[in-house]
Amino acid sequence: DAGVTQSPTHLIKTRGQQVTLRCSPKSGHDTVSWYQQALGQGPQFIFQYYEEEERQRGNFPDRFSGHQFPNYSSELNVNALLLGDSALYLCASSLNRRRGGYTFGSGTRLTVV
Amino acid sequence: GIQVEQSPPDLILQEGANSTLRCNFSDSVNNLQWFHQNPWGQLINLFYIPSGTKQNGRLSATTVATERYSLLYISSSQTTDSGVYFCAVSTGNQFYFGTGTSLTVIP
Repeated sequence: DAGVTQSPTHLIKTRGQQVTLRCSPKSGHDTVSWYQQALGQGPQFIFQYYEEEERQRGNFPDRFSGHQFPNYSSELNVNALLLGDSALYLCASSLNRRRGGYTFGSGTRLTVV
Repeated sequence: GIQVEQSPPDLILQEGANSTLRCNFSDSVNNLQWFHQNPWGQLINLFYIPSGTKQNGRLSATTVATERYSLLYISSSQTTDSGVYFCAVSTGNQFYFGTGTSLTVIP
């Protein structure tokens, strides 16, 4: 049973560029959440997608946007990259309304230079 | 948002020792989970424990929801227990994480 799959694992981008990160949820899960984890910090909630719509959003600017596809997979897009966007981006999947069943992927490590 | 504080921030143990990690949170929650982040960055779910006590092998956890804290116990620690332990709480769709406890177990 495949867990949460994220791609790519590592990425280097130049300031001002745009980036797209991808997440395939665990089989049977229909909800995807994205988190940003800066070095030495706990993950910070970016947003959550369910039924192809953004259900909740954390305190992140509009440069961060996302999408969920009919097969429940999801993308995170970041425009106009800043050096401060360098972080580990984690995707978590879950089954809607079922508490405690969050599964995280291994993340995408983004470096902005 | 909900404030989550974890202590201690760093912990170094000799293999075989026991430890207790603490998580305090600022508001009532309906979801609390403990995670272990491995060296590759993946968060591994250890316990879903919004209240009560659970045990899984050498690990156990207790949450006292009325007093807004949770404890993670690690007994007979092994080098493979090294990593960062996070407590995360939620009242809905969003997890709030603490800053973690970095555990190093030395042989």
